[in-house]
Amino acid sequence: QSALTQPASVSGSPGQSITISCTGTSSDVGGYNSVSWYQQRPGRAPKVMIYDVVNRPSGVSNRFSGSRSGNTASLTISGLQAEDEADYYCGSYVGSTTIFGGGTKVTVL
Amino acid sequence: EVQLVQSGAEVKKPGESLKISCQGSGYSFANYWIGWVRQMPGRGLEWMGIIYPDDSDTRYSPSFQGQVTISADTSITTAYLHWSSLKASDTAMYYCARQYGRYFDAWGEGTLVTVSS
Repeated sequence: QSALTQPASVSGSPGQSITISCTGTSSDVGGYNSVSWYQQRPGRAPKVMIYDVVNRPSGVSNRFSGSRSGNTASLTISGLQAEDEADYYCGSYVGSTTIFGGGTKVTVL
Repeated sequence: EVQLVQSGAEVKKPGESLKISCQGSGYSFANYWIGWVRQMPGRGLEWMGIIYPDDSDTRYSPSFQGQVTISADTSITTAYLHWSSLKASDTAMYYCARQYGRYFDAWGEGTLVTVSS
């Protein structure tokens, strides 16, 4: 199983919206409602932001939203804030294993 | 509150063995899969494998099969990641995480392993 494909970096100004893509295949991203997104700030452990494609855990800001079209899942951050600057990883759960994307560095300009 | 507490940083030489730990609390440890994730310096997350502590059912990524051993001890609510012979390329941060459904909802703080002669 190959890693999922994410853009290396995405940037935006405060208040703007940005979208991070995560491309897989019909055997992973496109085949199951099991895509999750993780935020990792420098020197910290990852934190789940979205699970099962569109669901947001309790305590996560509603500025974060997930979606999917075909074999590509997306994470959108609305009203970008300085605290959103971090690395973001998608993950796809398939048959008890998890495939991660390569990660996207989000920069707030 | 679900918590995963990992053992401290390690500095080892090539060829040495190592076992790092991850102690869970605040939930029924035996009944949730625990996964291990590697992050090499400046790189992304890599799923290594997962264990169900209640019956020690273990699954490995093909990339890590035969390179590490994952185990768990329910009596002390602790999962382990073991190397019998470390290589310099094992230098990385290692995270444990609880699998909740189809995602990891709680993560340990990470254990930094440095392998250098």
